[in-house]
Amino acid sequence: AQSVTQLDSQVPVFEEAPVELRCNYSSSVSVYLFWYVQYPNQGLQLLLKYLSGSTLVKGINGFEAEFNKSQTSFHLRKPSVHISDTAEYFCAVRETSGSRLTFGEGTQLTVNP
Amino acid sequence: DAGVIQSPRHEVTEMGQEVTLRCKPISGHDYLFWYRQTMMRGLELLIYFNNNVPIDDSGMPEDRFSAKMPNASFSTLKIQPSEPRDSAVYFCASSLWQGSGELFFGEGSRLTVL
Repeated sequence: AQSVTQLDSQVPVFEEAPVELRCNYSSSVSVYLFWYVQYPNQGLQLLLKYLSGSTLVKGINGFEAEFNKSQTSFHLRKPSVHISDTAEYFCAVRETSGSRLTFGEGTQLTVNP
Repeated sequence: DAGVIQSPRHEVTEMGQEVTLRCKPISGHDYLFWYRQTMMRGLELLIYFNNNVPIDDSGMPEDRFSAKMPNASFSTLKIQPSEPRDSAVYFCASSLWQGSGELFFGEGSRLTVL
């Protein structure tokens, strides 16, 4: 069975600082990996995804993530955050042969002025 | 496309009442998922359908919960009778099997059971 662990429940940063949100997964088979963002009182939106190929994936709003198979990680990064990036971020994994998406517990990113 | 549409957006009800949440998936999507989100448990998958057929309902908390998908454009999640611990935000999401199967979420239905 697949599982996802987001290592930080809350990450406070100052505006224009870099940020990394950490995600580790567990699966015995090959997987697809995703990061979703949830703004207050809204549903989840896809930020980026890794399917295959280049391990560095670029998403919307200047975010990127790197797939590291040996460390089973898929950390999300942004070199300079904005106040508007304040939201909850979810890492998710799905086995390539499956249809069930498993989410991590979420990381609340708070960007302070 | 209008995206995944859920109704109602907010529901406040008394304990013991029946609650029905509705979802219209994106046209052409063949998977539909119901999730529940709470502070304590995060995002939990309740049930999902493929081509209107329930595939996995192992996440449904108990017999008070039921879900149906009578056709490709409509699904309901029903709670009867409702209890205060059912208070949560319920999300519907849909996807296509082809490719990554990216999920598209609705804006959620916030349920408060008093």
